[in-house]
Parts: sequence; structure tokens; C-alpha cells
Amino acid sequence: DQQVKQNSPSLSVQEGRISILNCDYTNSMFDYFLWYKKYPAEGPTFLISISSIKDKNEDGRFTVFLNKSAKHLSLHIVPSQPGDSAVYFCAASFQGAQKLVFGQGTRLTINP
Amino acid sequence: DAGVIQSPRHEVTEMGQEVTLRCKPISGHNSLFWYRQTMMRGLELLIYFNNNVPIDDSGMPEDRFSAKMPNASFSTLKIQPSEPRDSAVYFCASSLRAGGIGNTIYFGEGSWLTVV
Repeated sequence: DQQVKQNSPSLSVQEGRISILNCDYTNSMFDYFLWYKKYPAEGPTFLISISSIKDKNEDGRFTVFLNKSAKHLSLHIVPSQPGDSAVYFCAASFQGAQKLVFGQGTRLTINP
Repeated sequence: DAGVIQSPRHEVTEMGQEVTLRCKPISGHNSLFWYRQTMMRGLELLIYFNNNVPIDDSGMPEDRFSAKMPNASFSTLKIQPSEPRDSAVYFCASSLRAGGIGNTIYFGEGSWLTVV
């Protein structure tokens, strides 16, 4: 039972354009959401997070949007750069639980 | 600062052999997680510990898998006997439980296991 879903296994975007990665969740108890970035042969690294009391969080080129009614979040990267090419994982947790539930990941490729 | 340290980085073993993966969490962190990455299911949580005590092992696939955390700076994940379907990347991660909303966990570089 996949509680966090990333339905797009891959995404290709031209350099300089906006990259939008999507994530859906089913558990309404989730109240904290994160995005991790993973390069080949490395572990995932934390990128940005958002709590359920907000609907937007911005950090430089990265913005995460949360739509609680739709149980959907998205990560926007603008402008996209070649170094952004990686696998992006969406993750969620709920208060009192330390574990993170991850999606399957989306492989983002930024084309020059 | 040292991050989460895992060993071995790569392991190739024959079916039926015992495999032991090791992890040293970030100093001061009190929670430790073992995840497995596969193409089909992404990152799956196998087990996690809080203050060296296993809290949730519902993700452990079957009895062939076991994990221990004898102290705050060391954990092992053991597979005995190993099978080809266990081939995956196994990540260890740690975090500091500080209460409140939000918990960011930090991953090691992973142990790539191939069972032939």
C-alpha cells in the first residue's frame, strides 16, 4: 500500500525552464513533507520541507507547494540547471512518528 | 562533520550466504533507520530504532532479515540466508528526535548488495 506516490518515473526539462515534480499522498494524518535529492552512487540528501500549517515554502530556486485538500504537493525548480539532474524523492511523516514514508522517486534530467 | 557511515559500500555474495551490513550514525543522533531502495518500490523503511530500541520493524521482509543496535554508535542489518531478490541498495539514516513537527533524516551513501 503506497501511501506516498510519485506517478512520473522520469521528467526531462530544458535548462533554464521550470521543473515541476509532483507527489500525492493518501494518509490525511501526514503533517510534514520533505523532498530529497539523490545523485547516482550517493545517499539521498535533504532538499526542502513544508509543514501542513503552510501551503508554500521557498528556498532559493526551490519552492514546495502543499495542497492539503487534494493531498498533493509539488516541487518547483526555477530556473533548472544541469546540476539539478538527479532522482527526487518525496517523503511524508506525521507528528509523533519519526519515520519518513517515501515515494518511488522521479528521475529529473535537465537538458542543455 | 562525519555523516552516516556505512560499510561495505559494495557486496557481492552467493545465494545462501550470510550478509552483514554495518552503520555508524551521526554522533548525537538518537534515531536510526534502515531503508532499502528498489526500482519498483523506491525507498522502503525496513526498521528504525529510537535510543537503541527497535520501534517499528514492520517493513522487515521476512525472518531472514534481522537488525541490531547494541549501542548508540553502531547498528547492523543481517540477511541470512541471502537470496537474489535481496539485491538492492540498503541505506542507513539517522536523525535527532527533538519533538514537535518535522523530522529530517540524514542518509549514508548506501551499501550496494548483489546476491548471485
